[in-house]
Amino acid sequence: DVQLVESGGGLIQPGGSLRLSCTVSGFTVSDIYMTWVRQAPGKGLEWVSTLYSVGSTHYADSVKGRFTISRDISQNTLFLQMDNLRTEDTAVYYCASCSGDSCYSAYWGQGTLVTVSS
Amino acid sequence: IVMTQSPDSLAVSLGERATINCKSSQTILYNSNNNNYLAWYQQKPGQPPKLLISWASTRESGVPDRFSGSGSGTDFTLTISSLQAEDVAVYYCQQYLSSPQITFGQGTRLEI
Repeated sequence: DVQLVESGGGLIQPGGSLRLSCTVSGFTVSDIYMTWVRQAPGKGLEWVSTLYSVGSTHYADSVKGRFTISRDISQNTLFLQMDNLRTEDTAVYYCASCSGDSCYSAYWGQGTLVTVSS
Repeated sequence: IVMTQSPDSLAVSLGERATINCKSSQTILYNSNNNNYLAWYQQKPGQPPKLLISWASTRESGVPDRFSGSGSGTDFTLTISSLQAEDVAVYYCQQYLSSPQITFGQGTRLEI
């Protein structure tokens, strides 16, 4: 069975850093496009970043230069390093797998909450 | 590509039809393969989104057949033919033509 489990969320002050993890089972993280999507409290879904199987990385303008997506094949885990966090980054962060090279997602993690507040 | 859903919220009686609309700011029909790059998701409180439909009208395995998707180009519709209590949720459309820069509609809250 496919399973995605996020971890690493928490309360952090503005300007701080946090690293989210998404541990995958049921497929190899390097074989599939992987993406992060976030949802601010009471709001809609917002794409954050995608890592292609070939290794190329892509970011929303709102996080470019502050967030870094990566993976560790030995741990079969996807990461999102978040630096210089802002209050507007407060959200539940979901990792999800894309379906081939078309990024709609049948598989999602349960989400991890990041709260940026002083 | 901006996705706009209507209405923002909707109340439908049990057993009645529910219709949610989604409009894209530009066509998401790819002429080379004649596919519409549109998905529909259902999200219940405290849960991640659940994929219902891809390619505008292809229902995912296990999704009840009361859910159907239609439309092409820039205008799309999610229809629930006979509303059940468990269908109360927020529904999102998503375009993936511009992958990796996917975009979602703002969501439609469906209530009884």
